Amino acid sequence: SAVISQKPSRDICQRGTSLTIQCQVDSQVTMMFWYRQQPGQSLTLIATANQGSEATYESGFVIDKFPISRPNLTFSTLTVSNMSPEDSSIYLCSGSSGGGTTDTQYFGPGTRLTVL
Amino acid sequence: GNSVTQMEGPVTLSEEAFLTINCTYTATGYPSLFWYVQYPGEGLQLLLKATKADDKGSNKGFEATYRKETTSFHLEKGSVQVSDSAVYFCALSGSQGNLIFGKGTKLSVKP
Repeated sequence: SAVISQKPSRDICQRGTSLTIQCQVDSQVTMMFWYRQQPGQSLTLIATANQGSEATYESGFVIDKFPISRPNLTFSTLTVSNMSPEDSSIYLCSGSSGGGTTDTQYFGPGTRLTVL
Repeated sequence: GNSVTQMEGPVTLSEEAFLTINCTYTATGYPSLFWYVQYPGEGLQLLLKATKADDKGSNKGFEATYRKETTSFHLEKGSVQVSDSAVYFCALSGSQGNLIFGKGTKLSVKP
């Protein structure tokens, strides 16, 4: 199994600013993902964080708004840029040791973002 | 595209009642199916999973069977406890190894 931590756990930000969320895994993982959970909604995949290369974004999410870095197999960051109140959500990172569809994903505790 | 439809909540039960949370899916190919649980104030945790048709996943008294013929993966527990109060998410595996989630079902168990 993997233990995933995120920083910050929560933040309140002003519109137009940016916030970078860090995700740290206690062991090497093959795959890392970033999800968004809007209030009262399910989790939606933002992107797959690829080590050493550009992230793969889902439809509706773009690199300019959500730049992602993944410098190694245990760490990734997600930046929420030029924030608006619609970005208020919980952002979660996850990781899995394998790359297949049967592998368990482990989740961080989430970062609760409020944009005023 | 692939999707998960999950029973709407909230669900309120008395302790020791029987629990069923319905989950059906639409998918191409043969995805793996998962139930994740989110306890109050905590992150998502894997509850159980099944990776092929007719597999039964089980954990902590919960179980779910991968039914390909009905495209379902219903979660059941014979006797719930107050400590089972949480939000339960049904999910299937995506093509990139990601997860596609249902909307979640909030369960409240009263003593």
